[in-house]
Amino acid sequence: DSGVTQTPKHLITATGQRVTLRCSPRSGDLSVYWYQQSLDQGLQFLIQYYNGEERAKGNILERFSAQQFPDLHSELNLSSLELGDSALYFCASSVDSGNRETQYFGPGTRLLVL
Amino acid sequence: LAKTTQPISMDSYEGQEVNITCSHNNIATNDYITWYQQFPSQGPRFIIQGYKTKVTNEVASLFIPADRKSSTLSLPRVSLSDTAVYYCLVGATSGTYKYIFGTGTRLKVLA
Repeated sequence: DSGVTQTPKHLITATGQRVTLRCSPRSGDLSVYWYQQSLDQGLQFLIQYYNGEERAKGNILERFSAQQFPDLHSELNLSSLELGDSALYFCASSVDSGNRETQYFGPGTRLLVL
Repeated sequence: LAKTTQPISMDSYEGQEVNITCSHNNIATNDYITWYQQFPSQGPRFIIQGYKTKVTNEVASLFIPADRKSSTLSLPRVSLSDTAVYYCLVGATSGTYKYIFGTGTRLKVLA
């Protein structure tokens, strides 16, 4: 158990809909990262927040957005969903920011768009 | 940005040493190299991290040559429970930090 929690575990929805994925980092961690893992794309970095502010942005679509709240939990919002958005979405956290930080991953949210 | 590539799959037998290589030709000066292990339907789990030369911990060793354009994860005496997908991660620094996972190597350990 990494200490990172994600809800829900599974999500089934329809195209065009909007969903929110939630992540609670390990106690004391200030950074939160979001990744998408699909069969044909591997693990893709989406976005990172550090202490409430956006720190880095990867291949995140404009239909996706995220935020980190004062209690440090984070939410990833996915809108106008398409079939291709079906994937595992992982959240990770680390104590600080920077490429030397060890990222601890949550169990993921499996999203299925029908 | 660094692009990382790995062999798609490898097979090994229990008790053997396994070496998995990651190629990261465009690695930047400040980038660190981290390796993760992932079991089906679970999040990746940290194995080891290094910047140059050799790093060893209780589960693995990481070898990084002087040019840092590749790295090799070494797993000594693998067991069936080491069957998993192994990823290298390069932290890319191009103004802001970004994180690029390798393509992943599916290791199958045979009895």
